[in-house]
Amino acid sequence: NAGVTQTPKFRVLKTGQSMTLLCAQDMNHEYMYWYRQDPGMGLRLIHYSVGEGTTAKGEVPDGYNVSRLKKQNFLLGLESAAPSQTSVYFCASSGLDSNQPQHFGDGTRLSIL
Amino acid sequence: GENVEQHPSTLSVQEGDSAVIKCTYSDSASNYFPWYKQELGKRPQLIIDIRSNVGEKKDQRIAVTLNKTAKHFSLHITETQPEDSAVYFCAASMAGSYIPTFGRGTSLIVHP
Repeated sequence: NAGVTQTPKFRVLKTGQSMTLLCAQDMNHEYMYWYRQDPGMGLRLIHYSVGEGTTAKGEVPDGYNVSRLKKQNFLLGLESAAPSQTSVYFCASSGLDSNQPQHFGDGTRLSIL
Repeated sequence: GENVEQHPSTLSVQEGDSAVIKCTYSDSASNYFPWYKQELGKRPQLIIDIRSNVGEKKDQRIAVTLNKTAKHFSLHITETQPEDSAVYFCAASMAGSYIPTFGRGTSLIVHP
């Protein structure tokens, strides 16, 4: 039982390049989330999904797109990377009961030059 | 929407001392309050949580207290050890909402 798996773990991009961050969970969770973590800013929600085929915007969605084609996968895309998107990205998932904790992946460290 | 304030942002203690981190929330409808620990370079992981029908919960050296009237909850760590050094996040969420609101985190440093 791997929990939440994120790939890649590290990536360096040039401004204007695109990439997709992959998140997979094997806990049959309905809800999945993408956060970014910057020094002193805590965890800020980018996008989230309440089930297969659904997505919704979080606190800081600009410059990102997401897709949830399969229940176990949640993809985060950067169409045209900017230096302001340099951050650590965490994927998380949680079950149907709203009073349940989130399970986080190990994070993706992304640098945009 | 919900707003969660967390204090202090940094806490430095000597090994063996107690540490207390406090969070306040704004929405009285919030009913679930988890605490996460994030070691350097690692993922946030749940260490303890409390629901609004409970005033206190303990798990060995850690405890969480909830004051619904004052809308604040606190994490208490007793007999701190160097391995307790980490960033701690509190969060609050409402019934029927799957989007928790996080505090900005507290960096706890335990000096040997």
